[in-house]
Amino acid sequence: EDQVTQSPEALRLQEGESSSLNCSYTVSGLRGLFWYRQDPGKGPEFLFTLYSAGEEKEKERLKATLTKKESFLHITAPKPEDSATYLCAVQAREGGKLIFGQGTELSVKP
Amino acid sequence: NAGVMQNPRHLVRRRGQEARLRCSPMKGHSHVYWYRQLPEEGLKFMVYLQKENIIDESGMPKERFSAEFPKEGPSILRIQQVVRGDSAAYFCASSPSPTAYGYTFGSGTRLTVV
Repeated sequence: EDQVTQSPEALRLQEGESSSLNCSYTVSGLRGLFWYRQDPGKGPEFLFTLYSAGEEKEKERLKATLTKKESFLHITAPKPEDSATYLCAVQAREGGKLIFGQGTELSVKP
Repeated sequence: NAGVMQNPRHLVRRRGQEARLRCSPMKGHSHVYWYRQLPEEGLKFMVYLQKENIIDESGMPKERFSAEFPKEGPSILRIQQVVRGDSAAYFCASSPSPTAYGYTFGSGTRLTVV
């Protein structure tokens, strides 16, 4: 069964304190791994798609990496506006649906 | 270029009533996905539709829930005889194809059953 597990469930950082979020997955043939950001009361906002092990993508203070079993979302020198829930999802080669993890709730204090 | 539009944003129903949630995908997108997010839980897949067809309904409860995406008009998620456990945020996403990189999500409909 396709499955995604994210850790930690919650992460509190001071502004400028870099850290990483983990996404472990099992899927029957990976088509893509997705990272989304979700603010309270809003829909998920697309951040990255990674397709193969070794791939990396960056956007401002965020960098996503992918191995055959997990993905990391690295946050460098975070700011309070980076506070949100970060969601990881996988899509199998067979089928179009995304399977989401539970998310990591990130709080960045000034 | 409007994004994925969901309405209503908030919906209150009494137990036993029907709830109808609407989703208009982005222009040019013919694939629609519905997800449910219960309090303190992640997004759970419900159903995947293409125009006039249900492609994957493996996440839909067997009773009371149905979805459609007609040739004209928005996609509709229908919940009959709602119960308190149906209270959740329901999100719709759309894409131009199932292999598109990144789905675009709407802002969701928050259903409260009283």
